[in-house]
Amino acid sequence: EAGVAQSPRYKIIEKRQSVAFWCNPISGHATLYWYQQILGQGPKLLIQFQNNGVVDDSQLPKDRFSAERLKGVDSTLKIQPAKLEDSAVYLCASNYHSNQPQHFGDGTRLSIL
Amino acid sequence: DAKTTQPTSMDCAEGRAANLPCNHSTISGNEYVYWYRQIHSQGPQYIIHGLKNNETNEMASLIITEDRKSSTLILPHATLRDTAVYYCIVRAYSGGSNYKLTFGKGTLLTVNP
Repeated sequence: EAGVAQSPRYKIIEKRQSVAFWCNPISGHATLYWYQQILGQGPKLLIQFQNNGVVDDSQLPKDRFSAERLKGVDSTLKIQPAKLEDSAVYLCASNYHSNQPQHFGDGTRLSIL
Repeated sequence: DAKTTQPTSMDCAEGRAANLPCNHSTISGNEYVYWYRQIHSQGPQYIIHGLKNNETNEMASLIITEDRKSSTLILPHATLRDTAVYYCIVRAYSGGSNYKLTFGKGTLLTVNP
């Protein structure tokens, strides 16, 4: 089966600009996750969707980050405006149900100048 | 959430078994132990999980102590491609029918020729 697809693979922007990341989960996976991974640390959960509804966004900085999964399939994560501390890899993961192992994409590496 | 403690780094000779320890002394009776690994520039990859009994699959074996306060991931014949950061995670219940993974910094396993 095809894995979790993410794009772009790399993105470089200046601070205060906006950026968006796209994720297409494995077909049929109802649950989708966005993680932020800062260099040298493990991934940190930003938001979890069940179909098109938000299950957990407690660690999403809502003043600048937003995410949507309108049709319950693919998802976008947006940062507006970006700060230097947002430099990280943004990972998307999915599973059939949250009690199953998560499958990860290879992420988008964001660099803020 | 139950916290895990892992060594920062370990070395292993190619062809030998790699034994990666993890302490999770505050684990609750119904919480699973999950192991993922992350090869450089890739997303995390699911390896194995378990509750009480030892588990084995094509990638690895998981040994959980009887009191469930610690576990060991065993790669029986390590290869250079097994060089990665290995994460031990106690999967936490997050309400409703949902669960979440909280990643620590993991163990960097370096397999040497």
